[in-house]
Amino acid sequence: EAGVTQSPTHLIKTRGQQATLRCSPISGHTSVYWYQQALGLGLQFLLWYDEGEERNRGNFPPRFSGRQFPNYSSELNVNALELEDSALYLCASSFVGAYEQYFGPGTRLTVT
Amino acid sequence: QKEVEQNSGPLSVPEGAIASLNCTYSDRGSQSFFWYRQYSGKSPELIMFIYSNGDKEDGRFTAQLNKASQYVSLLIRDSQPSDSATYLCAVIMSGTYKYIFGTGTRLKVLA
Repeated sequence: EAGVTQSPTHLIKTRGQQATLRCSPISGHTSVYWYQQALGLGLQFLLWYDEGEERNRGNFPPRFSGRQFPNYSSELNVNALELEDSALYLCASSFVGAYEQYFGPGTRLTVT
Repeated sequence: QKEVEQNSGPLSVPEGAIASLNCTYSDRGSQSFFWYRQYSGKSPELIMFIYSNGDKEDGRFTAQLNKASQYVSLLIRDSQPSDSATYLCAVIMSGTYKYIFGTGTRLKVLA
């Protein structure tokens, strides 16, 4: 069974630009979660999507947004990039109503 | 007080010993608790989850939950150098259902 996939693996952007990160959940999983892991810091919860709806978001500014598509894949958009947005962005998925999350390999975003 | 707290370590144990990792949480209503292992440069991998007070064993791993004292621990028996990683505790907050991670404990198993 294929795991959670994310693309791209690495992304380099300049300050002020927009970044789009993509995630495909495990087959059968309808919930997708996004996290930010900055160097030396823990995992920070960003967004939770289920059945195409945003269910919850973490303490991040509105320039962090996303969506979930009918096939349950998801996209994270970060607008007006700032240097401190440089981090590993992780996507996880789970069955609806289940809380065990399974992570993808992540996208390393570097903002210069 | 942080929502989920872990000692950052490093926790060093000799090969073959028991490694004990601890996590405390602030939300008394939390019901679901998870342990993830994260190797350097990799994404977190789910090891154990526990929902009820007491112990839950899976191979060399035992998760222990004490809701009254608001802590959850992970024991790794017969520790191996390959167990060297950062171990993340995660708790689902009651009400918001947000998944909150601790900052992790770095474990070093010495050969």
